[in-house]
Amino acid sequence: AQRVTQPEKLLSVFKGAPVELKCNYSYSGSPELFWYVQYSRQRLQLLLRHISRESIKGFTADLNKGETSFHLKKPFAQEEDSAMYYCAPHTGTASKLTFGTGTRLQVTL
Amino acid sequence: DTGVSQDPRHKITKRGQNVTFRCDPISEHNRLYWYRQTLGQGPEFLTYFQNEAQLEKSRLLSDRFSAERPKGSFSTLEIQRTEQGDSAMYLCASSGWGTGETQYFGPGTRLLVL
Repeated sequence: AQRVTQPEKLLSVFKGAPVELKCNYSYSGSPELFWYVQYSRQRLQLLLRHISRESIKGFTADLNKGETSFHLKKPFAQEEDSAMYYCAPHTGTASKLTFGTGTRLQVTL
Repeated sequence: DTGVSQDPRHKITKRGQNVTFRCDPISEHNRLYWYRQTLGQGPEFLTYFQNEAQLEKSRLLSDRFSAERPKGSFSTLEIQRTEQGDSAMYLCASSGWGTGETQYFGPGTRLLVL
């Protein structure tokens, strides 16, 4: 069965500390992977996708096919990074996204 | 606002009543998705349209649920004989040529069934 695991419901870090949000997936085939973010009172929006290999708002994510992981990282957390983060693989056949349960990132002073 | 819009934003209904939600995608997007999100969970896929064709439905979509996209533009999601377990946030998203597989989400419709 296709599955996405985000093991941490809540991750609390101090401003300026490194951040790593974990995502492991179990998928047949070669999924494309996304991270979506939801800031307070805003709609769900794309943060980054592995295929573009971009750094968005200082975040990066590397796809590790051997470990089937797609962890999201940022070297120095900012207060404005506080939000709900969802890992979401996508398989091409139906174009649907399968979301993890999400990790709430809380950045404190 | 040229993003995905959903109406209504909130709906309170009594058990057994029917409800209908509307989604207006970004105008040039040919794909439209419905998801449901319950407290503490990520969004779960319900159904997907490419233009007016409904190409996939999740097992979550019981017979009480029906979705349409009659002209390949806006879509409606109807829930008949609502149950308390239907209480959730219903999200709509769209994507299209040029977006890759990026889906753009609406603000959602929060349903509460009493």
